Amino acid sequence: GQQLNQSPQSMFIQEGEDVSMNCTSSSIFNTWLWYKQDPGEGPVLLIALYKAGELTSNGRLTAQFGITRKDSFLNISASIPSDVGIYFCAGVHGSSNTGKLIFGQGTTLQVKP
Amino acid sequence: GAVVSQHPSWVICKSGTSVKIECRSLDFQATTMFWYRQFPKQSLMLMATSNEGSKATYEQGVEKDKFLINHASLTLSTLTVTSAHPEDSSFYICSAPDSLWGNNEQFFGPGTRLTVL
Repeated sequence: GQQLNQSPQSMFIQEGEDVSMNCTSSSIFNTWLWYKQDPGEGPVLLIALYKAGELTSNGRLTAQFGITRKDSFLNISASIPSDVGIYFCAGVHGSSNTGKLIFGQGTTLQVKP
Repeated sequence: GAVVSQHPSWVICKSGTSVKIECRSLDFQATTMFWYRQFPKQSLMLMATSNEGSKATYEQGVEKDKFLINHASLTLSTLTVTSAHPEDSSFYICSAPDSLWGNNEQFFGPGTRLTVL
């Protein structure tokens, strides 16, 4: 099935550093969601975006809905060890009336204390 | 956010047997639930959409007779893997949208690890 292009695939950073990851699509999306998944668990919703250009924060996390509606990014500031996990972007296609999510491939984040 | 539970959290079964996985929305009603499968180090792949009061809709390539879905009530959907084989071993996750949080915000269960011997 269709997937979003998410990058980078993995990141290994030092505690305290900022992190940025993004998702792109060739088609328009009307919703962008960012999830975090810990090993052996289900994804947890971090941020939801509904409007082009929207910038939303959740603590140290900030995400933006791209103006073209074909991309989104997630920033994590001042990373800490518990930020370790897999981050997924997910979107609802602009023409969808089913609410089905399309997922990116995920970004694996490792934080060195 | 809304809470979704799954049961069991893990199951080991013999090849050829059937396994039922439950997905419940604990504090909200869900007319629609989604079932995903996730292989190690891969993303989530949508298998089917479970619809309360009507048949489930399956994604291309997913065998409806092998993965039986029943949306028994507004808070419960079940996925039955029939005649399971080792290649069905995977992490199965359900999700449900809670309209109070926004139409497209889906909340995921904790997942069920299926191992078929």
